[in-house]
Amino acid sequence: QVQLVQSGAEVKKPGASVKVSCKASGYIFSHFGVSWVRQAAGQGLEWMGWVSAYNGNTNYAQIFKTRVTMTTDSSTSTAYLELRSLRSDDTAVYYCVRDTFSFGAASLLDYWGQGTPVIVST
Amino acid sequence: DVVLTQSPISLPVTLGQPAYISCRATQSLEFSDGNTYLSWFQQRPGQSPRPLIYRISNRDSGVPDRFSGSESGTDFTLTISRVEAEDVGVYYCVLATQWPKTFGQGTRVEI
Repeated sequence: QVQLVQSGAEVKKPGASVKVSCKASGYIFSHFGVSWVRQAAGQGLEWMGWVSAYNGNTNYAQIFKTRVTMTTDSSTSTAYLELRSLRSDDTAVYYCVRDTFSFGAASLLDYWGQGTPVIVST
Repeated sequence: DVVLTQSPISLPVTLGQPAYISCRATQSLEFSDGNTYLSWFQQRPGQSPRPLIYRISNRDSGVPDRFSGSESGTDFTLTISRVEAEDVGVYYCVLATQWPKTFGQGTRVEI
């Protein structure tokens, strides 16, 4: 069965970076992509961006473009989200979600990871 | 970009009664292939979101048939025909063909 298993909770200081991993199983990793979605406490869902596991192409939400990098490692079927220059309002749960391999196509968003809490605090 | 506006934001429901959640778009959502890729997600308390409906009215695998989706022009509706206790949570609509993606602001269903 398809599973996305994310790395554990992180506590970071303002200005630091965080890297969250998402290990996929149960499907051919390179045939899909991964979107990252975050959710602050009590708030809605915010799409951060997408990376294709097929060719490494990315598409980032404008507000994150200067601070985010999304990558994949097909040898381990793992996707990564790196967010830099952390601020207190980056405190949220970060989800990886299986998505289409091709930018512009209809998204899948059919399998979600369990979420990784990231706390940014002094 | 298309904006999706959900209503109501909070929906008190009675067990066994129907519930209706609206998602209104600012423009037509039809994709170049003629399909409309409007999806609905459910997020139960403390859980990851789960897909419910894709392409307006198709239920994802394992979704009970009390959930259904419909459209009228640029208005989309998620209907729960008879609410059960496990339906408590927040429901989101999203347009799968829009890049970047924006989710509706969510509708909280509570007993």
